[in-house]
Amino acid sequence: GAVVSQHPSRVICKSGTSVKIECRSLDFQATTMFWYRQFPKQSLMLMATSNEGSKATYEQGVEKDKFLINHASLTLSTLTVTSAHPEDSSFYICSAATGTDGFYGYTFGSGTRLTVV
Amino acid sequence: GDSVTQMEGPVTLSEEAFLTINCTYTATGYPSLFWYVQYPGEGLQLLLKATKADDKGSNKGFEATYRKETTSFHLEKGSVQVSDSAVYFCARKETSGSRLTFGEGTQLTVNP
Repeated sequence: GAVVSQHPSRVICKSGTSVKIECRSLDFQATTMFWYRQFPKQSLMLMATSNEGSKATYEQGVEKDKFLINHASLTLSTLTVTSAHPEDSSFYICSAATGTDGFYGYTFGSGTRLTVV
Repeated sequence: GDSVTQMEGPVTLSEEAFLTINCTYTATGYPSLFWYVQYPGEGLQLLLKATKADDKGSNKGFEATYRKETTSFHLEKGSVQVSDSAVYFCARKETSGSRLTFGEGTQLTVNP
């Protein structure tokens, strides 16, 4: 089946530095990629939606200059957390969507645990 | 707007007990409905789905029926196992576009 490879699975960075998270669709082309953030014991919060070759659409309250999303190809999307601070520590999950006969399938990455110290 | 409401957890059951996790959705349009499962430290895995009213999704002993009259998509399993311990998310896909809206998630713990 479809697989989305998300890396790294865990990252610890110092406050003020930037961190890049990658999601690759291994055996299919992801027309749309979603980026979520998940706080402990809480649901997934959609941060942004990106389509290949176009700018990402950010949800209200999400700083687009802080969370940079690039979807340069149908198999790769990246999320860069710029100038990270401890409050950015969270679990980040990507999800790829493909449209087939009007029904969308979704494949999730395994998530990235970001800890900012 | 579109929303999904799940029963609050956590839910703790003994092995072989019957499981129900309630899920209701707002009745705008004709959404597709999903149940996802998340094991500790991992992303989400699709458990089952239903795309129209009266459809029943099933997988690994779990079932859920799309009930338009009650706007519900409750998850059930007749006999849970310890390995079913995870967080379960109900979700709907908006009728226009590809965006998913998730419920709050329900933590299930199954004790031997």
